[in-house]
Amino acid sequence: AQSVTQPDIHITVSEGASLELRCNYSYGATPYLFWYVQSPGQGLQLLLKYFSGDTLVQGIKGFEAEFKRSQSSFNLRKPSVHWSDAAEYFCAVGALVHFGNEKLTFGTGTRLTIIP
Amino acid sequence: DAGITQSPRYKITETGRQVTLMCHQTWSHSYMFWYRQDLGHGLRLIYYSAAADITDKGEVPDGYVVSRSKTENFPLTLESATRSQTSVYFCASKTRRRGEQFFGPGTRLTVL
Repeated sequence: AQSVTQPDIHITVSEGASLELRCNYSYGATPYLFWYVQSPGQGLQLLLKYFSGDTLVQGIKGFEAEFKRSQSSFNLRKPSVHWSDAAEYFCAVGALVHFGNEKLTFGTGTRLTIIP
Repeated sequence: DAGITQSPRYKITETGRQVTLMCHQTWSHSYMFWYRQDLGHGLRLIYYSAAADITDKGEVPDGYVVSRSKTENFPLTLESATRSQTSVYFCASKTRRRGEQFFGPGTRLTVL
C-alpha cells in the first residue's frame, strides 16, 4: 500500500528566509505526487503536482518541488517566504484503485510558522 | 456560484443521532471524495465515487454511508454518530481519472 511521510510536524522560519519541506513516499509504480496548502479554517488548495517529465515542477505562489525517484522524495521549496505562507502543507501520492480511479494518500502535514 | 460547496459548515450533534453532510459541485466532475481530517492523521479517505451510482470504500469507511444518485451531489451520512466521528470533513471532486482534486471548505462536526 502507498504511504507518505512528512517528517517535520512544525517548522518555523523567518520572513525572507528560504524554505524546504520534506516529503517521502512509498508506492510501487510511477507516482503522481501533489503538494496542497491549507490556510486556517480553509479547504485545501493545490500548490503543484508531478505526473511525469521534468522532475523540477513549478507551482503557484513561487513554490517548486523536485521529484527524486532514487530517494523516493518530493520536497517542496521556496527561496524567500512571506508572512502569508504561514499554513499547513500536505504532500500526497496518487494511487490507482477500483474503476480506474485514483485516490490520494496524504501525509500528516507540516505546519509552517513565519516569524518577522 | 460555481465550485464545490459543503453544508452545513458547522454541526453539533449527540451520540446516536443520524447526521448527513452535504456536498455539491457545479462542474459536473465524475469523481467525488469524502475525507476526514484529524490532528496527527492528516486527511483520510472515507468513501469515493467514480460516477453516479458507483461508490467504493476508502481507508476509514466504518460508521459512514454514502449515496450518489446525481452527479453533482455526494452526501455523507453518519447513521449513528459516535464521539470518535468528531472531525473536520472535506469533500473533493475531480474531472479526470488521474489529476488534481478540488476541495470544498469543510464541515466541522462535533459529536457530544
